[in-house]
Amino acid sequence: KNEVEQSPQNLTAQEGEFITINCSYSVGISALHWLQQHPGGGIVSLFMLSSGKKKHGRLIATINIQEKHSSLHITASHPRDSAVYICAVRSSNQFYFGTGTSLTVIP
Amino acid sequence: DTGVSQDPRHKITKRGQNVTFRCDPISEHNRLYWYRQTLGQGPEFLTYFQNEAQLEKSRLLSDRFSAERPKGSFSTLEIQRTEQGDSAMYLCASSFPWDNEKLFFGSGTQLSVL
Repeated sequence: KNEVEQSPQNLTAQEGEFITINCSYSVGISALHWLQQHPGGGIVSLFMLSSGKKKHGRLIATINIQEKHSSLHITASHPRDSAVYICAVRSSNQFYFGTGTSLTVIP
Repeated sequence: DTGVSQDPRHKITKRGQNVTFRCDPISEHNRLYWYRQTLGQGPEFLTYFQNEAQLEKSRLLSDRFSAERPKGSFSTLEIQRTEQGDSAMYLCASSFPWDNEKLFFGSGTQLSVL
């Protein structure tokens, strides 16, 4: 069993739709990260959370430590949001990664 | 551009050959991580360094894999006697000493073993 589980695995949305990607984890963590990976491999860190909620532009990330769950929301989605979104948690001295959610936003 | 550079971007090799990848982290970063990622999967931890010390190695890192960070700056990952199963994207990431939580990734080295 993976330490980090994401859902859905694949997601297709129409431009403008509100999108939610979920992440559940099974280990004790010091922080949770949401990452964005574009074709070709480049990974960019979007958020780092240890509690509560963070917002950056159209992106919102929340975490519930008691439930070991986090969500990434994208409001007013745009085709340029198309990418793989990866949830990662830091536990002890390691990072554990989910398998990613592949998002395609159709114009 | 995150400031972490990896070289080469792509490597095609024949089975049985040795390959070496290089990672140059952001200069102030003291932690450096190597990950392997296959298609449709998230990155898998291979090893990490704090300065020049290799502090942890994954069980995934067989005897054919070795990593070094001789002066606590750049790092190399060598795979000896490559096998087709080694084909993957090899990612390097580094972090600041005062904010060990935030990772900065390089663009990766895509290895294809024929």
